[in-house]
Amino acid sequence: AQSVTQPDIHITVSEGASLELRCNYSYGATPYLFWYVQSPGQGLQLLLKYFSGDTLVQGIKGFEAEFKRSQSSFNLRKPSVHWSDAAEYFCAVGAAYSSASKIIFGSGTRLSIRP
Amino acid sequence: KAGVTQTPRYLIKTRGQQVTLSCSPISGHRSVSWYQQTPGQGLQFLFEYFSETQRNKGNFPGRFSGRQFSNSRSEMNVSTLELGDSALYLCASSSQANEQFFGPGTRLTVL
Repeated sequence: AQSVTQPDIHITVSEGASLELRCNYSYGATPYLFWYVQSPGQGLQLLLKYFSGDTLVQGIKGFEAEFKRSQSSFNLRKPSVHWSDAAEYFCAVGAAYSSASKIIFGSGTRLSIRP
Repeated sequence: KAGVTQTPRYLIKTRGQQVTLSCSPISGHRSVSWYQQTPGQGLQFLFEYFSETQRNKGNFPGRFSGRQFSNSRSEMNVSTLELGDSALYLCASSSQANEQFFGPGTRLTVL
């Protein structure tokens, strides 16, 4: 079955500390992977995406993610978090050039920042 | 380029009423998708439109419907509202499949 798992429901890190949010997927076809961020009461903003090529992907706001095919993972990282990074983060997987109905979203990880 | 806009941003309705939500995609985008987001169920796909045709529909009852106009703007309608329809409804547009740009959402509260 196709699925996306974000094992951490809620993470709290101190401002300035490094961050890693985990994402594991199960997908039959070649995956097209995404990370989105959602601030309270807002829509989702695309942080980064991966389809092919370099397995380390750079995104906006200083985020990066690494695709590891052998581990079926696409973890999101940031070397030093800022208070403004507090939000909910969603990992998603789909197939390139297919319907939006085929995109599977994880359940999200809520990130809190400790001053 | 202006982003995806959704109107209204907030709505309060009572059970049994109907509601229409509107979405204007990014200029040039022909695909519009709708999602329902709730704390318990997360993000759930409602439907997708492309060039005025519904391309896919999620697992929602027939009370949920939508349409897309020739200018790519889309509306979704929910009839006979139930308490469980309270949610954030998100619209996303894309020019090529899967790179979706989301609007800010419409927060619907059913009393």
